[in-house]
Amino acid sequence: DTGVSQNPRHKITKRGQNVTFRCDPISEHNRLYWYRQTLGQGPEFLTYFQNEAQLEKSRLLSDRFSAERPKGSFSTLEIQRTEQGDSAMYLCASSRLAGGRTGELFFGEGSRLTVL
Amino acid sequence: RKEVEQDPGPFNVPEGATVAFNCTYSNSASQSFFWYRQDCRKEPKLLMSVYSSGNEDGRFTAQLNRASQYISLLIRDSKLSDSATYLCVVSTTDSWGKLQFGAGTQVVVTP
Repeated sequence: DTGVSQNPRHKITKRGQNVTFRCDPISEHNRLYWYRQTLGQGPEFLTYFQNEAQLEKSRLLSDRFSAERPKGSFSTLEIQRTEQGDSAMYLCASSRLAGGRTGELFFGEGSRLTVL
Repeated sequence: RKEVEQDPGPFNVPEGATVAFNCTYSNSASQSFFWYRQDCRKEPKLLMSVYSSGNEDGRFTAQLNRASQYISLLIRDSKLSDSATYLCVVSTTDSWGKLQFGAGTQVVVTP
């Protein structure tokens, strides 16, 4: 399977714990995006990388959130001191450089976070 | 105000009928427009881009009205498999990496 891979697919944690999600993009894609989606809403932009550079971060990404893409390949999204409001589906997507113009983002199946 | 607004629906459509719905965007600097489809509990997938002159892809027709800042999607001869949530997506020239998604319009095609 050469699509975008995310893990874990599901994570249940207690409030205050830290969680980390991993995303492996399509190998030839330069851009990698993180979105968050809650029930009944569309995906909300969190951040994106071009190779290893983090080019933009949403105001939604509080200081408890950090994303990295150290070698321009896979990426991690860490949430520290989780809150119940962090419960959501965290979607990763990747694209070629022109992804923003072509709109062709390839999404993974997501990592569902439940904070108790 | 949200940057991309959509009627959440659901639009209940008999099989074979035509359904159309719109989305409005607030940022006049928006330059690229797309429709994505999301099936229940699945990831979003690109359905089609929206061009200034309007464009068709099989049974799907997309239109853009820059003056009124809205995009439309029309589905002809609806199939049961068209049941999904349709997400309106825009991006701006100053932030090509940041696609803004609407909350989606749910379409339910009934036999």
